[in-house]
Amino acid sequence: EDQVTQSPEALRLQEGESSSLNCSYTVSGLRGLFWYRQDPGKGPEFLFTLYSAGEEKEKERLKATLTKKESFLHITAPKPEDSATYLCAVQVKGGSQGNLIFGKGTKLSVKP
Amino acid sequence: DAMVIQNPRYQVTQFGKPVTLSCSQTLNHNVMYWYQQKSSQAPKLLFHYYDKDFNNEADTPDNFQSRRPNTSFCFLDIRSPGLGDAAMYLCATSRVTGGGDEQFFGPGTRLTVL
Repeated sequence: EDQVTQSPEALRLQEGESSSLNCSYTVSGLRGLFWYRQDPGKGPEFLFTLYSAGEEKEKERLKATLTKKESFLHITAPKPEDSATYLCAVQVKGGSQGNLIFGKGTKLSVKP
Repeated sequence: DAMVIQNPRYQVTQFGKPVTLSCSQTLNHNVMYWYQQKSSQAPKLLFHYYDKDFNNEADTPDNFQSRRPNTSFCFLDIRSPGLGDAAMYLCATSRVTGGGDEQFFGPGTRLTVL
């Protein structure tokens, strides 16, 4: 069964304290892995798409990487405004068309 | 700015009283999706439209229906809401399906069932 597991469930950081969020996936064939940011009471905001192992993408303080089994979202010198839930999702080759399989997310809190 | 719009943002209904949620998009995307997200859980796909082609997920209850009258609009109808249907309902769009395209989400409608 295709599944996505994110860890940790929650992460508390001090402002400036770099860390990484993990997304492990087990799928029959990966078409794409997506990272989203979700603020409380809002819809997910698209961050990155990764398609193949070894690929990396960056945006401001965020950097996403991909291996054959997992993806990491690295946060460098985070600020309080980076506080949010970060969702990872995969799209499977040959799966239900368009279906994204989401992890439960990592809730990040950054304290000043 | 091109975007996905959902109305209303908050909806309160009574147990068993039909409710309709609305989604519109200015992205001119072919695909529109409806997700259900309960507190601290992952979004769960209910169904999607590729143009006018409706695709229902196998485990979506019959209580949930959808309509897409044109490219820009899509509606979620809950025929007889139960307490367990209280959730955030998210609309999303993408250019195509299965091609690794990202999905763009609206702000969501928070549904409360009394």
